[in-house]
Amino acid sequence: GAVVSQHPSWVICKSGTSVKIECRSLDFQATTMFWYRQFPKKSLMLMATSNEGSKATYEQGVEKDKFLINHASLTLSTLTVTSAHPEDSSFYICSARGTKYNEQFFGPGTRLTVL
Amino acid sequence: AQSVAQPEDQVNVAEGNPLTVKCTYSVSGNPYLFWYVQYPNRGLQFLLKYITGDNLVKGSYGFEAEFNKSQTSFHLKKPSALVSDSALYFCAVRGSNQAGTALIFGKGTTLSVSS
Repeated sequence: GAVVSQHPSWVICKSGTSVKIECRSLDFQATTMFWYRQFPKKSLMLMATSNEGSKATYEQGVEKDKFLINHASLTLSTLTVTSAHPEDSSFYICSARGTKYNEQFFGPGTRLTVL
Repeated sequence: AQSVAQPEDQVNVAEGNPLTVKCTYSVSGNPYLFWYVQYPNRGLQFLLKYITGDNLVKGSYGFEAEFNKSQTSFHLKKPSALVSDSALYFCAVRGSNQAGTALIFGKGTTLSVSS
């Protein structure tokens, strides 16, 4: 149980385009989802916290207009990188936590490369 | 504020020898502590957690960790390392009185096991 999926697993896009990444909790309802960003061989940096049906809370320094997060249902959250630039290239990992768990379950990550 | 410290960027051990990956934390309230492992270009895999109870926690793949409240530490250990244990290891923490917040990660420690 407690499986989290991400789609796509990798994506390459041109500079200036927008990219949407989906995060799904497959066998539980996730009231809270988190989005992290990871640079090569570096730690996970929390970008934002989203609760179902409400606006995401962004960490300091994260541009909310650039990284749009939507948590429209208890099993789906999306991260849209708008007008992507090469510096947005990174590994994006989502995490979900349900009501009965103390731990977060992580998706497999999405590798974004912006050319 | 919550924080996690992994003082070693890299740990090198020979196969068959015991290994320790260090982690110390700072959190308000009682800590919820976790260890995750990450292989190249993959997501995080959960190893073990401490929520309450016995200070020695046993997890996946023969790993264990000991919670030490006085030293605010949660070091990861394994009696006999395998080459396949070579990976990036993350310690993470959340305060028990911060139910809605995300896990905060250490910077990661690269474990290299030589044959």
